[in-house]
Amino acid sequence: KAGVTQTPRYLIKTRGQQVTLSCSPISGHRSVSWYQQTPGQGLQFLFEYFSETQRNKGNFPGRFSGRQFSNSRSEMNVSTLELGDSALYLCASSIGQATLNTDTQYFGPGTRLTVL
Amino acid sequence: AQSVTQLGSHVSVSEGALVLLRCNYSSSVPPYLFWYVQYPNQGLQLLLKYTTGATLVKGINGFEAEFKKSETSFHLTKPSAHMSDAAEYFCAVRNYGGSQGNLIFGKGTKLSVKP
Repeated sequence: KAGVTQTPRYLIKTRGQQVTLSCSPISGHRSVSWYQQTPGQGLQFLFEYFSETQRNKGNFPGRFSGRQFSNSRSEMNVSTLELGDSALYLCASSIGQATLNTDTQYFGPGTRLTVL
Repeated sequence: AQSVTQLGSHVSVSEGALVLLRCNYSSSVPPYLFWYVQYPNQGLQLLLKYTTGATLVKGINGFEAEFKKSETSFHLTKPSAHMSDAAEYFCAVRNYGGSQGNLIFGKGTKLSVKP
């Protein structure tokens, strides 16, 4: 069974631009969670989508948004990029809604975003 | 609220030596605990998890961890380190709702293995 895939793997943008990252979960998984990983802050939760609805949201500004499609694929968008948005963005999928059960979350390889 | 503390941001061992990575947690409910490993430029891979039942949990690549409720610990061990074990290791506790998300991670421990 294919794992979680994320595209693109690497991105370079400049301040003020916007970016869209994509995540395809494991087949049959309906939950997708997004995390930001930086050397200073570690792994921080962005949001979770389940059945096309945002179920949980972390403490990030409104510039960070996401959505989920009927096939469970998810995208996250960051508008008006800032230097501090440079990070590895990871998505994780699980069978059920992550906040309601103990299903294991499986992570993708991440998208490395560099903002210049 | 749940939290995770990993003691030692960097641990160095010789090949063949015991690996011990420390994790302590705080949880107001019975915890579900996880260890993930991250190799350079890759995502997180689940090593093992504890939910209920046997407190000694065996994972992949020869790793195991023991849940000790009295010590609020979930330390990761491997009897004999291999060069391929060099990576960053994250301990995590399941969170139930809230802005911290589904998994609360420790800051990570980078493991170096010397030949």
